[in-house]
Amino acid sequence: DTGVSQNPRHKITKRGQNVTFRCDPISEHNRLYWYRQTLGQGPEFLTYFQNEAQLEKSRLLSDRFSAERPKGSFSTLEIQRTEQGDSAMYLCASSQITGQPQHFGDGTRLSIL
Amino acid sequence: GQNIDQPTEMTATEGAIVQINCTYQTSGFNGLFWYQQHAGEAPTFLSYNVLDGLEEKGRFSSFLSRSKGYSYLLLKELQMKDSASYLCAVQGGSYIPTFGRGTSLIVHP
Repeated sequence: DTGVSQNPRHKITKRGQNVTFRCDPISEHNRLYWYRQTLGQGPEFLTYFQNEAQLEKSRLLSDRFSAERPKGSFSTLEIQRTEQGDSAMYLCASSQITGQPQHFGDGTRLSIL
Repeated sequence: GQNIDQPTEMTATEGAIVQINCTYQTSGFNGLFWYQQHAGEAPTFLSYNVLDGLEEKGRFSSFLSRSKGYSYLLLKELQMKDSASYLCAVQGGSYIPTFGRGTSLIVHP
């Protein structure tokens, strides 16, 4: 069990650029979640996958946000045309089955210049 | 929808006991989680309650009353390393957790 891995750890980019983050869940975990966390707040749910199926995406913050998990293993979160307000920590978590505690990665901190 | 309320900040003395409360309103209920999050790090799982009562795990215990929409996390024999944010998360009918804002606990010597 190597834990949930996220890359990159930090991303600094100019406003208007596209960014993509990667998450590798714990290998036997079927559920994968994406969250956004800003300073002084708890994680805010964005989307999740059961294997390769994206089961909830209505809470993605705008149509600039999209996520994929093409083979049911790693996942990517993409933000197009980044804005200042997108600056945050983006967390990925996984769980083995529905309803069980989630294991979080260390997150990707995004800074928009 | 779901609404979760927990105190913003608490302070306590090393060696003491502290109780962090969490109240919630939810449509459907499939469990309540407590996570610990040190500054700049990922949340780590502490406890899970799905039935009423007390769950004990070492120095940490968590209590749930579903009828009152209430939970607490009890930390005993506080250590300096317990200074962190404590997140209450409620899993509703959709099994998607909603997190509270977190309680920042400061442990003084």
